[in-house]
Amino acid sequence: GIQVEQSPPDLILQEGANSTLRCNFSDSVNNLQWFHQNPWGQLINLFYIPSGTKQNGRLSATTVATERYSLLYISSSQTTDSGVYFCAGPTDYGQNFVFGPGTRLSVLP
Amino acid sequence: NAGVTQTPKFQVLKTGQSMTLQCAQDMNHEYMSWYRQDPGMGLRLIHYSVGAGITDQGEVPNGYNVSRSTTEDFPLRLLSAAPSQTSVYFCASETGGTQYFGPGTRLLVL
Repeated sequence: GIQVEQSPPDLILQEGANSTLRCNFSDSVNNLQWFHQNPWGQLINLFYIPSGTKQNGRLSATTVATERYSLLYISSSQTTDSGVYFCAGPTDYGQNFVFGPGTRLSVLP
Repeated sequence: NAGVTQTPKFQVLKTGQSMTLQCAQDMNHEYMSWYRQDPGMGLRLIHYSVGAGITDQGEVPNGYNVSRSTTEDFPLRLLSAAPSQTSVYFCASETGGTQYFGPGTRLLVL
């Protein structure tokens, strides 16, 4: 299966700031997802984005499959954006995912 | 729609005990999976199922069994708990390339 790397590992922002999280993968992918794990542990699917750009409110994501990376943009960050952001790519095990190590985001009031 | 539900939320076991983690979904998804998450790490796939009656191993299947007798339910069994199985366990269902996760079960093995 592919290897997934994420950067930065930790990020601290002041409320209202913008940020970019990066995900690199070792091989071409036909499926890539971004997840947010909130401080209570719940995992929420943010984007299914094998290629191109998608936007959902203050969040947007871009995947450049040919260059093997994906970016997650958070604009005007809020304290509720805190948590860990994972990107995940396809595994050799059916339609499941291999997860990157995550980026831990802390948004301060 | 309750989505994906898991029980219990938290469990303490002694080494050698067995138990079953329950997972259910009401979205009629064929595809279901079990992952474990260890501190500071992403999720790793334990077992998965592409439909009732069909299961397969993931990346870290040792020490775990699964069955899928209905579309809705996908229980995970720990045969003889070991401290290395202390983790948070997530069940997920999938459709259209998107996975939906349950709230997780936090397991402590002493």
